Amino acid sequence: KAGVTQTPRYLIKTRGQQVTLSCSPISGHRSVSWYQQTPGQGLQFLFEYFSETQRNKGNFPGRFSGRQFSNSRSEMNVSTLELGDSALYLCASTTGQGTDTQYFGPGTRLTVL
Amino acid sequence: KQEVTQIPAALSVPEGENLVLNCSFTDSAIYNLQWFRQDPGKGLTSLLLIQSSQREQTSGRLNASLDKSSGRSTLYIAASQPGDSATYLCAVYDTGFQKLVFGTGTRLLVSP
Repeated sequence: KAGVTQTPRYLIKTRGQQVTLSCSPISGHRSVSWYQQTPGQGLQFLFEYFSETQRNKGNFPGRFSGRQFSNSRSEMNVSTLELGDSALYLCASTTGQGTDTQYFGPGTRLTVL
Repeated sequence: KQEVTQIPAALSVPEGENLVLNCSFTDSAIYNLQWFRQDPGKGLTSLLLIQSSQREQTSGRLNASLDKSSGRSTLYIAASQPGDSATYLCAVYDTGFQKLVFGTGTRLLVSP
């Protein structure tokens, strides 16, 4: 079975721009969660999508948004980028049951200049 | 609010040593606890998942225990190898917030 894939792997943007990241979950998984990892804050939960609906949301500003398509692929969008948005963005997929293992992708490294 | 703490923050050992990594959490209302490994600049690799009703899980040289009532988990690594060098993260799936809450990690270095 193919693992979780994320594209692109690396991105460099400037302040004020917007960016879209993509995550393809493991086949058969219906839940995709997004996390931001920074040296200062560690891993923080952004949001979770299950069957095209946002099921849970972390404590991030509205500039961070996402969506999920009918094939369970998910995209995350960040508008009006700030320097502090520089981070490793990770997505994880599960079947959607709270007791399941979460499988992570390799991440997208976003640098905001 | 669930908080997860990992001790020590960093650990350096010679090859062959057995070692224990600690994880504590403040709220016992969890579905499960998961241990991950992260290599520099990479994603997370799941090592072990312990359901809230279980006491331990084993995979090869790794053994993880869970004491939900005291809010503690340990990851035991037997006969450590240089390839075990990485950051180890524990995370609890919180029933209240319905999300994974991560600890800050233990950075492990195993020297040949």
